[in-house]
Amino acid sequence: NAGVTQTPKFRILKIGQSMTLQCTQDMNHNYMYWYRQDPGMGLKLIYYSVGAGITDKGEVPNGYNVSRSTTEDFPLRLELAAPSQTSVYFCASSYGAGNYQPQHFGDGTRLSIL
Amino acid sequence: GQQVMQIPQYQHVQEGEDFTTYCNSSTTLSNIQWYKQRPGGHPVFLIQLVKSGEVKKQKRLTFQFGEAKKNSSLHITATQTTDVGTYFCAAPKAAGNKLTFGGGTRVLVKP
Repeated sequence: NAGVTQTPKFRILKIGQSMTLQCTQDMNHNYMYWYRQDPGMGLKLIYYSVGAGITDKGEVPNGYNVSRSTTEDFPLRLELAAPSQTSVYFCASSYGAGNYQPQHFGDGTRLSIL
Repeated sequence: GQQVMQIPQYQHVQEGEDFTTYCNSSTTLSNIQWYKQRPGGHPVFLIQLVKSGEVKKQKRLTFQFGEAKKNSSLHITATQTTDVGTYFCAAPKAAGNKLTFGGGTRVLVKP
């Protein structure tokens, strides 16, 4: 059972470039989340989804976009990358509402913007 | 907005000693979750506490939810090198299906 899979694991972007971080889960979870974690800090919620076709903003959505066309996939799009977006990005999923159910995290994508 | 504060930010522990990390909120919480993140790894769910005064144990780890449901603690007995990592508490936001994560307690173990 793969759980939550994120690709790529590492990426270096130039300022102004765009990219999509992929996240897929095979647990049939309805709830999915994107977090960023800056060095030595906690997790900040970027976007989340409660089911296919439904997404909503978290604490730090600016500069990002998401889509949820299927239950399994929840890609995160960075448009016009900026140095402030250098971070580790984690995707997570939960069976029920993530405030009452355990969240399962992927291994993360380590992104540097130079 | 709602925040959960964790103290201490760093904890250096001699192997074999006990320590406690704390999670505090200014508002009453419906529940609280604890996660562990190994260096270079991803957060892994440890436990959820729901009831006032609840105490749960996982081997050498003891989790407690305060009577007023505004704070929680994690106590580790006889610390081992495998306990190295960052421990996060997380609590539901006032609205929505989301969690607020604390800043974490980074635990280093001296052999």
